[in-house]
Amino acid sequence: DGGITQSPKYLFRKEGQNVTLSCEQNLNHDAMYWYRQDPGQGLRLIYYSQIVNDFQKGDIAEGYSVSREKKESFPLTVTSAQKNPTAFYLCASSKTTSGNTGELFFGEGSRLTVL
Amino acid sequence: AQSVTQPDIHITVSEGASLELRCNYSYGATPYLFWYVQSPGQGLQLLLKYFSGDTLVQGIKGFEAEFKRSQSSFNLRKPSVHWSDAAEYFCAVVLDDKIIFGKGTRLHILP
Repeated sequence: DGGITQSPKYLFRKEGQNVTLSCEQNLNHDAMYWYRQDPGQGLRLIYYSQIVNDFQKGDIAEGYSVSREKKESFPLTVTSAQKNPTAFYLCASSKTTSGNTGELFFGEGSRLTVL
Repeated sequence: AQSVTQPDIHITVSEGASLELRCNYSYGATPYLFWYVQSPGQGLQLLLKYFSGDTLVQGIKGFEAEFKRSQSSFNLRKPSVHWSDAAEYFCAVVLDDKIIFGKGTRLHILP
């Protein structure tokens, strides 16, 4: 079945360490997104990519980095510069690049805890 | 600024009772409108969407939503909730290629 796979589901890291969250999709979708979710805050966009080798900052990109070397993959690195990285991270994809229809397909999320 | 408001952070209903979750948006034009559902520790799943046409839209799991332009609202309804409906519900809009999510309403079901 087609879908989005995020790994790991749970991750612990020490302060000062970088960590990379994986997101892979086999839906043949062009656009991919990373969101951060905190209790009571809804979803906040970190980065998005509409095409391979191109990506744009979202609302809260500071302290994060991404790459889009393949259509299927959009990994997110949480760097040591991110002041409050403990959160639930969601990856999503959508089919279209010309006009965002808002129909997103989500992975099951990765919960990052900084000790 | 464009925004999506879900006025209720938590709602509790009894199993079998009807449900209405509120969503309001602030923007001059009519955006694309969505409701998503999130079970604990999971990703979001699309329940239903409104692009144009009939203002009452049907979704999965027995949910429906009504778009009211005059009230800038897109409320989600279900005539009879089941215990499995306990989850967090997010309203979202797309305008100018940007997706904006509300902060969510957590639904609790009493047995």
